[in-house]
Amino acid sequence: EAGVAQSPRYKIIEKRQSVAFWCNPISGHATLYWYQQILGQGPKLLIQFQNNGVVDDSQLPKDRFSAERLKGVDSTLKIQPAKLEDSAVYLCASSTTRGGEAFFGQGTRLTVV
Amino acid sequence: AQSVSQHNHHVILSEAASLELGCNYSYGGTVNLFWYVQYPGQHLQLLLKYFSGDPLVKGIKGFEAEFIKSKFSFNLRKPSVQWSDTAEYFCAVIPPNTDKLIFGTGTRLQVFP
Repeated sequence: EAGVAQSPRYKIIEKRQSVAFWCNPISGHATLYWYQQILGQGPKLLIQFQNNGVVDDSQLPKDRFSAERLKGVDSTLKIQPAKLEDSAVYLCASSTTRGGEAFFGQGTRLTVV
Repeated sequence: AQSVSQHNHHVILSEAASLELGCNYSYGGTVNLFWYVQYPGQHLQLLLKYFSGDPLVKGIKGFEAEFIKSKFSFNLRKPSVQWSDTAEYFCAVIPPNTDKLIFGTGTRLQVFP
């Protein structure tokens, strides 16, 4: 079974620029999560989708972050404009069911300079 | 605030030593509990999970965890660690009446031969 695919693996941008990350979950997984993992900390949930609907985005900084899940499959997370404190690894995960085991992608390491 | 706590931030052991990593959560009611591991350069992987039933859960690679409801704990154990267990370990909880997967801050384990 193919895993969760994320791209790019690494991205370096200047502050105030915009950036987008892409995630392709495991086929058939209805639940999709985006997490932000800052160095030395645990993953922090940014947004959770069930199919193409948002279940929770309470921790998403909506003034600069946005996310969508096209047709309930792929998802993109965008930051515009980026700040230095957005430097982190952005993880995508998917699950067959709400509340079940989540499978993670390799993540995208973002450095904002 | 409700949370997941991992008190050991960095653990250093010699091979064959026993391991116990603490995890406490502050949510009342029925929770789903997980331990994830992140080996160097790899994505987060599930070690074991507890939803209900026997509170002693066996996972992959000889790991086990015990759910103690009265202590709000889900500690991870391994009787004899190997160098290959060097990794970061994350406890995660799905609180009652939600399906948000909430992570602890992680414990970095280093095992020396």
